[in-house]
Amino acid sequence: DGGITQSPKYLFRKEGQNVTLSCEQNLNHDAMYWYRQDPGQGLRLIYYSQIVNDFQKGDIAEGYSVSREKKESFPLTVTSAQKNPTAFYLCASSIAGVYTGELFFGEGSRLTVL
Amino acid sequence: GENVEQHPSTLSVQEGDSAVIKCTYSDSASNYFPWYKQELGKRPQLIIDIRSNVGEKKDQRIAVTLNKTAKHFSLHITETQPEDSAVYFCAAPYTGFQKLVFGTGTRLLVSP
Repeated sequence: DGGITQSPKYLFRKEGQNVTLSCEQNLNHDAMYWYRQDPGQGLRLIYYSQIVNDFQKGDIAEGYSVSREKKESFPLTVTSAQKNPTAFYLCASSIAGVYTGELFFGEGSRLTVL
Repeated sequence: GENVEQHPSTLSVQEGDSAVIKCTYSDSASNYFPWYKQELGKRPQLIIDIRSNVGEKKDQRIAVTLNKTAKHFSLHITETQPEDSAVYFCAAPYTGFQKLVFGTGTRLLVSP
């Protein structure tokens, strides 16, 4: 069953802690993306990667870090430097860049900072 | 800047009515415009897209129109049904088409 899997679905974190969100895809897609979703603000791009071992900052990268060591994996770390981390995080992938067609999204991870 | 403006933020219609959502983009080089639907608690999914070489595209009750001169595009849903209730996002590519920028979303509510 091909698709994109995010884990965990729900995550609670204390202030000052780093947390890593997992994103795995078995679609053989080159490009992967992390978006943050807040009520009334749509989907905002955090980081994106067009190819293994390369990634670019999106519009709201401060306080976040990523790695792309394998084609199928693009984990996102929310660091303690992120001032307002409570949000819904969506990972997505596409064949090769946004112009080539559809973004496939995971089911999301909801992070709550206590 | 790289932004996509989307209106309205909420839209309530009666079942059977039509619904129209409008988006404006800023990069004149953008040439691909998708629309995503996100049902409550679910992931966004592509419902229709249009490329700049056409002015309109239809898929059953859904259509998208594009005006490149004015840099805006619209989603049209005819004969709305309760299952059309969801949040709809428009999007446009920026920075050499490496990233997709989304609008802020429109919450559509179709009442029976």
